[in-house]
Amino acid sequence: GNSVTQMEGPVTLSEEAFLTINCTYTATGYPSLFWYVQYPGEGLQLLLKATKADDKGSNKGFEATYRKETTSFHLEKGSVQVSDSAVYFCALFRGYQKVTFGIGTKLQVIP
Amino acid sequence: DGGITQSPKYLFRKEGQNVTLSCEQNLNHDAMYWYRQDPGQGLRLIYYSQIVNDFQKGDIAEGYSVSREKKESFPLTVTSAQKNPTAFYLCASSTNGLAGGPNILDIQYFGAGTRLSVL
Repeated sequence: GNSVTQMEGPVTLSEEAFLTINCTYTATGYPSLFWYVQYPGEGLQLLLKATKADDKGSNKGFEATYRKETTSFHLEKGSVQVSDSAVYFCALFRGYQKVTFGIGTKLQVIP
Repeated sequence: DGGITQSPKYLFRKEGQNVTLSCEQNLNHDAMYWYRQDPGQGLRLIYYSQIVNDFQKGDIAEGYSVSREKKESFPLTVTSAQKNPTAFYLCASSTNGLAGGPNILDIQYFGAGTRLSVL
């Protein structure tokens, strides 16, 4: 079946550090891939997406590239800020409105 | 502003009681969803509805019920049969992509969530 694997964390970084959150997936066919962000006490917001292999999604300084050969969609940011502290979910779209989410990675950025 | 409103923000359930979580959207979306979020497990789909008066079970529907009488509203009832209801519940909506086929990417928009606890 379809699945998404990401580390739970927490990932703790100093401000301005480089961020990588790994995401790998298992799916049949050619899924679309998302990163969502959840700030404390809130719902999820779409951060970026990629719909086909080699696509790069980007938003607010975050980037992720859809790598079919390694079945990965790692999230990166060159310089994190305290305001980036949140939980980040990798997800895949498996058709007919069904989305499979990873467990979420908590990011803590300290000044 | 268009969006999804969930209420209440916090809810407490007594033993043997049914409780209903509200979800309203003004995005004119056809499809709506309910997810449950538990620590270490991510989001799991409870129920979803692609159109008014129709809904489907998700991955963990036991102990829950829904209705979809209006396009804007998709309430979730947590029944007494749900033995472990303590969780954060998230409602989402999207276009349903039916006109364009299953390859259309239908981004899901989320509400702020309801935290349910058992007394």
